[in-house]
Amino acid sequence: AQSVTQLDSQVPVFEEAPVELRCNYSSSVSVYLFWYVQYPNQGLQLLLKYLSGSTLVKGINGFEAEFNKSQTSFHLRKPSVHISDTAEYFCAVSPSGYSTLTFGKGTMLLVSP
Amino acid sequence: EPEVTQTPSHQVTQMGQEVILRCVPISNHLYFYWYRQILGQKVEFLVSFYNNEISEKSEIFDDQFSVERPDGSNFTLKIRSTKLEDSAMYFCASSVSQGYNEQFFGPGTRLTVL
Repeated sequence: AQSVTQLDSQVPVFEEAPVELRCNYSSSVSVYLFWYVQYPNQGLQLLLKYLSGSTLVKGINGFEAEFNKSQTSFHLRKPSVHISDTAEYFCAVSPSGYSTLTFGKGTMLLVSP
Repeated sequence: EPEVTQTPSHQVTQMGQEVILRCVPISNHLYFYWYRQILGQKVEFLVSFYNNEISEKSEIFDDQFSVERPDGSNFTLKIRSTKLEDSAMYFCASSVSQGYNEQFFGPGTRLTVL
């Protein structure tokens, strides 16, 4: 079984500041890793995913994440956030080759001017 | 751009009533999923569906739940006798195939059981 921990339920940040949203996972098998974003009243949208290969993954909207196997982490980063990045961000894992996603509780990113 | 749609956006029902949540997956996708999110909790996997049968289900997906693809476009989740604890946001998702392919999510149906 897999589990995902997002320790920060809310991260307030000022516009143009850098941000890191933390995600740790546990699994007895190899996994794929994902970050999804949910804007108000919308569905979950894939930001980026790690399947294999380079541990630094670049996604949409200037976000990137780094897979760290030894620390079982997949933290999401953006060097300069915009007001429009205000949303809820979900980290998720699935066993390699399978579809079932296990999500974290989500982190609400609040960007203020 | 193709998208997953869900209806209704909000459903209010009395405890013990049956509800059907509807989803229209992206047309060339073959795998379909339901997830739910109870307020303040994690998004949880309920069931996956492929080739007109359930391919995987979680412990949450008990006998009161069922899924169906009644025609070539709709994918439904039925809750036979709703309980208060079924109140949640229900997300439908679809993917081209399983594994590394992205799951595309709908906007969700908020179910409120009174």
